[in-house]
Amino acid sequence: EDQVTQSPEALRLQEGESSSLNCSYTVSGLRGLFWYRQDPGKGPEFLFTLYSAGEEKEKERLKATLTKKESFLHITAPKPEDSATYLCAVPGFGNEKLTFGTGTRLTIIP
Amino acid sequence: EAQVTQNPRYLITVTGKKLTVTCSQNMNHEYMSWYRQDPGLGLRQIYYSMNVEVTDKGDVPEGYKVSRKEKRNFPLILESPSPNQTSLYFCASSSEPVGTDTQYFGPGTRLTVL
Repeated sequence: EDQVTQSPEALRLQEGESSSLNCSYTVSGLRGLFWYRQDPGKGPEFLFTLYSAGEEKEKERLKATLTKKESFLHITAPKPEDSATYLCAVPGFGNEKLTFGTGTRLTIIP
Repeated sequence: EAQVTQNPRYLITVTGKKLTVTCSQNMNHEYMSWYRQDPGLGLRQIYYSMNVEVTDKGDVPEGYKVSRKEKRNFPLILESPSPNQTSLYFCASSSEPVGTDTQYFGPGTRLTVL
């Protein structure tokens, strides 16, 4: 059974203080890894898809990286508007489902 | 504007009273899914649909039904709701299978079953 574990559960940073969120996974065969952002009271919003170890993608202050066992979401010089819950997910066999982690709740303090 | 809409956004009901949560997308997507989100458990897939009249169970289908009579609509039906179905529900759609493509999520429906 596919498993996704995210850490830490919650992270508080000062504005401008860079850090990383972790997503470790156990799957029978990696078919990709997704990162989503979820704001309070809203549905998740797509950020990145990574398909192979060594792949990196960037968007503004966010950079996602992927190894054979885990993915990191690096946030550089964050701003208060980056506060959200960040979710990662891996596809299941047949690509008809996603297994989500429980998320990291990120708070950026001005 | 490309979007997934859900109604109602909030619902409080009582055990056993049948209810339907509607979901509609305007992006002509083939694939649609329903998820529930619970603290500590993350998002879990309830049902998904690959096209009109084609649906299949996700990880937690017990107590739920779905139908896909039109491409744009994918309602979630709780025929006899129970308190353990109190949760935050999301509908999502994509143009390709969920494991290969971006999913677009609706705003969520917060359901409370008393």
